[in-house]
Amino acid sequence: GQQVMQIPQYQHVQEGEDFTTYCNSSTTLSNIQWYKQRPGGHPVFLIQLVKSGEVKKQKRLTFQFGEAKKNSSLHITATQTTDVGTYFCAGGFSGNTGKLIFGQGTTLQVKP
Amino acid sequence: NAGVTQTPKFQVLKTGQSMTLQCAQDMNHNSMYWYRQDPGMGLRLIYYSASEGTTDKGEVPNGYNVSRLNKREFSLRLESAAPSQTSVYFCASIESLSNQPQHFGDGTRLSIL
Repeated sequence: GQQVMQIPQYQHVQEGEDFTTYCNSSTTLSNIQWYKQRPGGHPVFLIQLVKSGEVKKQKRLTFQFGEAKKNSSLHITATQTTDVGTYFCAGGFSGNTGKLIFGQGTTLQVKP
Repeated sequence: NAGVTQTPKFQVLKTGQSMTLQCAQDMNHNSMYWYRQDPGMGLRLIYYSASEGTTDKGEVPNGYNVSRLNKREFSLRLESAAPSQTSVYFCASIESLSNQPQHFGDGTRLSIL
């Protein structure tokens, strides 16, 4: 079946260090979305990537979609304590059902 | 503007009891989804409703039923709760069946003893 794997599961960094989380799909994706969930909160949409090789930036966050549309990454430059939370990738597949398959998430802790 | 509203926020049940989780959205969205979130497993789709009057199974439908009552409301029912259904349940919606971001409710934290 369709699976989306995300690593690492946890990451502890010192404030100011960089952070990267990676996502891999067993099959080709039609799109990939990224969400952030603060502790005790609900997932909040960050960005969507659709095109092969696409790169998008939001301030200190850089999102990439692989050429084969099977992998993606989120990179945060110079982490801040406000970046704390769990980051999820979610893959959309052909068929246009709107369904997403979520990765397991990466929980980021930032030490001040 | 409330977005997606879930009730209740917390619930404790005994094994074998039944209950319905409610979800309502005020964004005039067509498609709605129910997920469960367990530690280390991300969000797993239980059921979804592409449009009013239709429902389909997701990844983990066993032990659950759903009703798309109208365009606004999508409920999730546990007929005979089991400890394995202890989880955080999220409802989400999108405007239509295209590549759009999902809007999530605040979740229902359910414990089954």
